[in-house]
Amino acid sequence: DADVTQTPRNRITKTGKRIMLECSQTKGHDRMYWYRQDPGLGLRLIYYSFDVKDINKGEISDGYSVSRQAQAKFSLSLESAIPNQTALYFCATSMGLAGYNEQFFGPGTRLTVL
Amino acid sequence: AQKVTQAQTEISVVEKEDVTLDCVYETRDTTYYLFWYKQPPSGELVFLIRRNSFDEQNEISGRYSWNFQKSTSSFNFTITASQVVDSAVYFCALSPTIYNQGGKLIFGQGTELSVKP
Repeated sequence: DADVTQTPRNRITKTGKRIMLECSQTKGHDRMYWYRQDPGLGLRLIYYSFDVKDINKGEISDGYSVSRQAQAKFSLSLESAIPNQTALYFCATSMGLAGYNEQFFGPGTRLTVL
Repeated sequence: AQKVTQAQTEISVVEKEDVTLDCVYETRDTTYYLFWYKQPPSGELVFLIRRNSFDEQNEISGRYSWNFQKSTSSFNFTITASQVVDSAVYFCALSPTIYNQGGKLIFGQGTELSVKP
């Protein structure tokens, strides 16, 4: 079984709809992250969380919100989806000390906003 | 500013050729980590290597090797005798400081490598 899972894997929605992307991990890591990938831009950080009570904005948090329901679960919400949020979204986890530890990525969620 | 630049957007080689993927980074921190990730056509991100700023020793793992040069702020990746299975997008990433609490990764734009039979 995968250590970091994301649901759904693919989603097509319409402008203005609320969307939630979910991430679960069995690695026991305390840190979790949400990134989006756009062609030619690499991955950019949306939000990150040190633990259940600690959530921080990344470089492109506008239009997104997150919820850390448990150590193992970190959800990303688009309150009112717009077409330029069409992207590939990745959840990632890491353990303990930042920078030193590599991040482990989920399989990604491909979101299309029409 | 913290930044990672992968100037090569796409590279195409024929199987068995050697290929080098360039990565140049910017940071004012004296302590930082550099990473390479591979994204095959299936889409997942696979961790390849981590290097800290105090260790400039080159590393070799099978057909893969990495050349870290602080003097030129570069962390280049070479695949020797490339194979079709090496076809993927490769990302270089920077984590600015060991004590960066977020452990944030700053990614380059990625280089798409196509290895033709």
